[in-house]
Amino acid sequence: GQQVMQIPQYQHVQEGEDFTTYCNSSTTLSNIQWYKQRPGGHPVFLIQLVKSGEVKKQKRLTFQFGEAKKNSSLHITATQTTDVGTYFCAGPRDYGQNFVFGPGTRLSVLP
Amino acid sequence: ETGVTQSPTHLIKTRGQQVTLRCSSQSGHNTVSWYQQALGQGPQFIFQYYREEENGRGNFPPRFSGLQFPNYSSELNVNALELDDSALYLCASSLVQGGLDTQYFGPGTRLTVL
Repeated sequence: GQQVMQIPQYQHVQEGEDFTTYCNSSTTLSNIQWYKQRPGGHPVFLIQLVKSGEVKKQKRLTFQFGEAKKNSSLHITATQTTDVGTYFCAGPRDYGQNFVFGPGTRLSVLP
Repeated sequence: ETGVTQSPTHLIKTRGQQVTLRCSSQSGHNTVSWYQQALGQGPQFIFQYYREEENGRGNFPPRFSGLQFPNYSSELNVNALELDDSALYLCASSLVQGGLDTQYFGPGTRLTVL
């Protein structure tokens, strides 16, 4: 079945260091979404990418959608303690209007 | 805040019991999706409702059922609870436009089955 994978599973960084998480789908995606979930919280929508090769920025966050629309990345420049949480990518299922979530990358930022 | 609310926030049940979880979607949204999130994992899609009709179902047994009401609020019912049903249950509301679907999650209901 359709699978969405993310690496790494965990990442510990020193505050100020950069962070990147990668998302790979077993199938071509029409779009991909990224979410952030703080410890004890719920997923919060960050962004949606639609076009092949698309790059979007939100302050220190840079999102990229691969040319083949099967992979994506999220890069955080100069991490801060407020960036702590788990970052999920999600791609639409082969059918219907619902999503397959990756397992997430848990980011810890040491002050 | 997303405007999506869920109740209750926490619930403790015993194996074999039945549970109903509720979700009020964001104003103007016509679609509600339910997800199960086990500890340390990503959300797993249970099913989705669009204008009161089921619009897709994940790999969950029939004892997981749902409803969507005319005001687009929704319920998730789970019968014959099992220990493995212990998880955070999330609902997400959305307004499907042009084939794109941005989901807004509620705070979740933490279900513990003993």
